[in-house]
Amino acid sequence: EAGVAQSPRYKIIEKRQSVAFWCNPISGHATLYWYQQILGQGPKLLIQFQNNGVVDDSQLPKDRFSAERLKGVDSTLKIQPAKLEDSAVYLCASSLGSGIRQETQYFGPGTRLLVL
Amino acid sequence: AQSVTQLDSQVPVFEEAPVELRCNYSSSVSVYLFWYVQYPNQGLQLLLKYLSGSTLVKGINGFEAEFNKSQTSFHLRKPSVHISDTAEYFCAVRAYSSASKIIFGSGTRLSIRP
Repeated sequence: EAGVAQSPRYKIIEKRQSVAFWCNPISGHATLYWYQQILGQGPKLLIQFQNNGVVDDSQLPKDRFSAERLKGVDSTLKIQPAKLEDSAVYLCASSLGSGIRQETQYFGPGTRLLVL
Repeated sequence: AQSVTQLDSQVPVFEEAPVELRCNYSSSVSVYLFWYVQYPNQGLQLLLKYLSGSTLVKGINGFEAEFNKSQTSFHLRKPSVHISDTAEYFCAVRAYSSASKIIFGSGTRLSIRP
């Protein structure tokens, strides 16, 4: 079974530039999550999708971050414009569903973003 | 709201020695508890989880954790570690509410010395 795929693996940009990350979840997984993991901290949920609808985006900085999952499969997370404090690893995860017994999350390898 | 505290940011141990990684949580409601492992340059992988029932939970790679409600703890243990256990370990909590999300601790880096 293929795991969660993410690209790119690494990205270096200058502040005020834009960047986009892509995630392809495990086939058949209805729920998709984007996390931000700042160095020395645990992952923080940015946004959760159930199919192509948003379940939770309470911690997404909506003035600069956006995410979409148009066909309920793969997803894109965008930052525009980037700030220095956005330097982090962006993790994508997926699960079969959102009920606790379906909620084992499978994580991709992450995209490491450095903003200069 | 829930929170998770991992008291040790780094734990060095010798190979084949036992290890305990500590985790305490705070919540006003009942919770589910998790331990995830993150190997270098990889995503997180679920080690074990406590949903209900027996307070001693066994996971992959010989790890186990015990839920202690009175002490609000969920410490992770392994009787004998291997070099391959070198990784970062995250404790996480989720409230029973279907609308809640998983909250992760800040992680404990386990380094194994030969």
